[in-house]
Amino acid sequence: KQEVTQIPAALSVPEGENLVLNCSFTDSAIYNLQWFRQDPGKGLTSLLLIQSSQREQTSGRLNASLDKSSGRSTLYIAASQPGDSATYLCAVPNSGNTPLVFGKGTRLSVIA
Amino acid sequence: DAMVIQNPRYQVTQFGKPVTLSCSQTLNHNVMYWYQQKSSQAPKLLFHYYDKDFNNEADTPDNFQSRRPNTSFCFLDIRSPGLGDAAMYLCATSRDRSSGYTFGSGTRLTVV
Repeated sequence: KQEVTQIPAALSVPEGENLVLNCSFTDSAIYNLQWFRQDPGKGLTSLLLIQSSQREQTSGRLNASLDKSSGRSTLYIAASQPGDSATYLCAVPNSGNTPLVFGKGTRLSVIA
Repeated sequence: DAMVIQNPRYQVTQFGKPVTLSCSQTLNHNVMYWYQQKSSQAPKLLFHYYDKDFNNEADTPDNFQSRRPNTSFCFLDIRSPGLGDAAMYLCATSRDRSSGYTFGSGTRLTVV
């Protein structure tokens, strides 16, 4: 069964810093990986979707990479802002193209 | 805008009193999912529909049922809510099993 681990569990940085969030998963036979953002008490907002054939995806200040063979993904946030404060969740299929299994997330605080 | 809508945003129910949560989508996606998320935990898949094909997770309690009367709507029924069922319930859709997910805003369920 797929297990997803996100490190660190929480992170606090001053505004303007670049930062990296880490995600690891145990079963590399996946079709894709998706990063989400969750604000307190809210649903999940999709940030980036990386297909298994891709190495990275970029959206604005966000860049996500995927190393399928080693079971790792990183989410890079450039020039962090207080509005980036949220929990960031990584999710991969249990195997192949089965439903997503989520990590517990990294809770990010960006201090002005 | 095409989206996933969950109603209500907040639901308070009495211990043991049946409750229904609803989800609708305007994306015309084939797959709909229900996840349960407890405080500071990863979202946990309860079940999903691929079109009309219902898929139940092995560890989803019998107390939870789901209906998908048409492509646009999906319901989560909790037959006898217990205190341990208090959580955020998240509905998501995807075009097919290997596509990205779109989530609704969630329903926060409180059991009193």
